[in-house]
Formats: sequence, C-alpha cells, structure tokens
Amino acid sequence: EVQLLESGGGLVQPGGSLRLSCAASGFTFSSHAMSWVRQAPGKGLEWVSGITGSGGNTYYADSLKGRFTISRDNSKNTLYLEMHSLRAEDTAVYYCARDKTTAGPNWYFDLWGRDTLVTVSS
Amino acid sequence: EIVLTQSPATLSLSPGERATLSCRASQSVSNYLAWYQQKPGQAPRLLIYDTSNRATGIPARFSGSGSGTDFTLTISSLEPEDFAVYYCQQRRNWPLTFGGGTKVEIK
Repeated sequence: EVQLLESGGGLVQPGGSLRLSCAASGFTFSSHAMSWVRQAPGKGLEWVSGITGSGGNTYYADSLKGRFTISRDNSKNTLYLEMHSLRAEDTAVYYCARDKTTAGPNWYFDLWGRDTLVTVSS
Repeated sequence: EIVLTQSPATLSLSPGERATLSCRASQSVSNYLAWYQQKPGQAPRLLIYDTSNRATGIPARFSGSGSGTDFTLTISSLEPEDFAVYYCQQRRNWPLTFGGGTKVEIK
C-alpha cells in the first residue's frame, strides 16, 4: 500500500527539541521530493520545509529562522524533521507530503501522511 | 514571500449549486498554482495543479482557471461530499505558500 506514516510528535516544553519521522512505503521514495506541512489548531495550512529526492537541496519557510532541519534517509525510506528552540506557535499537526512527480520536483503534494501532533507547552 | 488571499472565507451553498472560489496572489505566480480539499480530521487532497490540470481520480466537476495573480476553482454542481475547506498553493517562488482557505458549507 502506498502510504506515509508520521511519528515522533508529542508534548514538549518551550525551548525544547523534537524529531519527527515519516516512513514511506509502496513507492520509490528516493524518486520523490518531500515536504513537511503543518496546521495549527483551527488554522490553515503552512508549508514548513522541503527536500529533493536525493537530499541535495533543502528549502525552509522564512519564519523558521534556522530552528528546523529537514533530512532524509533513502536507504530507510524515511523523512525527518529536527525541530529546536520550540515555541508555543509551533504547536500544530505536522504532515509529511510527497511531491506528485518523479521527473524533478514540482512541489505539489499528491500523497499526505496521517499527521502527528506537536504540542509546545509548559 | 507571495501571499495568497482566498475569498470568500465561507461559501454557503446547497447541493447541486455551482461553487466559485477565488485565490489572488500578491505577485504573479504564472500558472504555478494548485488547489487542495480538506475535510475535518483528514489530510488535504490534491485537486488541481498548474492552474487547470485535474489530479488523478478527481471528478470532472472540479475545474480551475486563471493566470498571473487571479485564479478560480469551480465546482460545477456540488455533491454532498464536496462540502469541505479548499486551499490554494503556489510553487512559483520560495517559500511555498498556501492561501488561508475557503470553507464551503451546506446552506
């Protein structure tokens, strides 16, 4: 089955760190760029970060100011998001999302995970 | 950063009616715009990409149009399962951005 399964979310104190994982199955993971998209409670979608299929290029939302790092391990079919210096405004469900093409990224997302909730609170 | 403004925020319609959703960009995104549908408790689903191309499995009642800064998603005749929130997204410039969403609710 083609799917993405996120894990690693939870409750963390302000200033803390967390690493999210997204395990891919059912498709050639290394052929697709991947992204993380988040959604604060009751709010809209916010793109967080993206990475090309090889992992050679990474992109980030301006608002993150270097606090987050995206990476991937194609041998494990897994995408990661390292989050540091977490703030209350980072509280959201986090989705991993697959780029719809294999012929070079086009940064549209045709497959989404089931999300993982990150809560930043003391 | 390209800001996408969606209107209206809420659209109240009955099944069978036509829905017209707008997405306006703060600067030209050429035709690099997509539309997603999200239902409560679910992940978004890609409907339209590059302004007017339907994604795999998307019914023909969904169509997209526009260019530059003004884009429209049209649902020709609303089915019960179409009541949801719709987002536009641009890929013209980094960072990628989404619009704030339009909720299509049952009147």
